[in-house]
Amino acid sequence: QKEVEQDPGPLSVPEGAIVSLNCTYSNSAFQYFMWYRQYSRKGPELLMYTYSSGNKEDGRFTAQVDKSSKYISLFIRDSQPSDSATYLCASHSAGRMYSGGGADGLTFGKGTHLIIQP
Amino acid sequence: NAGVTQTPKFQVLKTGQSMTLQCAQDMNHEYMSWYRQDPGMGLRLIHYSVGAGITDQGEVPNGYNVSRSTTEDFPLRLLSAAPSQTSVYFCASSYQLLYGYTFGSGTRLTVV
Repeated sequence: QKEVEQDPGPLSVPEGAIVSLNCTYSNSAFQYFMWYRQYSRKGPELLMYTYSSGNKEDGRFTAQVDKSSKYISLFIRDSQPSDSATYLCASHSAGRMYSGGGADGLTFGKGTHLIIQP
Repeated sequence: NAGVTQTPKFQVLKTGQSMTLQCAQDMNHEYMSWYRQDPGMGLRLIHYSVGAGITDQGEVPNGYNVSRSTTEDFPLRLLSAAPSQTSVYFCASSYQLLYGYTFGSGTRLTVV
């Protein structure tokens, strides 16, 4: 079982709708959570990062983490056709640099393909 | 400010050939990593480095080598290319992992 799970979709919604994208994770040590957006044939770009539980808002985007249920969400308000992309969630257990115990890297979900219909 | 630069963007190799994928960043990031992205598999960590002279293996290191002689550069070497290494390769760097990565635009590699 992959440590971070996402429904691959596609998720298709009409323009202007509120979009809810979700991930679950299994590693209780994960403390840092991120959302990336990836357009076709491009590299992922960081949308938001959060630490531990709670909400974080940035414009039309809200990231939510519920550590008790190991659930990560990204909400997009007033969705636009330009939001059509694959959204990747990612997690990490340690925010500090290498200390001999292994820093590893971010663990990514497989991504959810989102389509916003004009 | 160029960010993370990957070269080449596309490459076709024959089975058994070797090559080096280049990655350079100009943000003075200590942490750099290589991922491969395959349909249905997501992003998987190949190797990473936390500074010049320090590298370590990720989830799928077999068939790949890395070295880090400078802060800016982190090349990925394919020793003897195999069709299973056909993939899109991304280089990423970070000041600290809690702030996430900056990714390059990727190298699309096909091994025939």
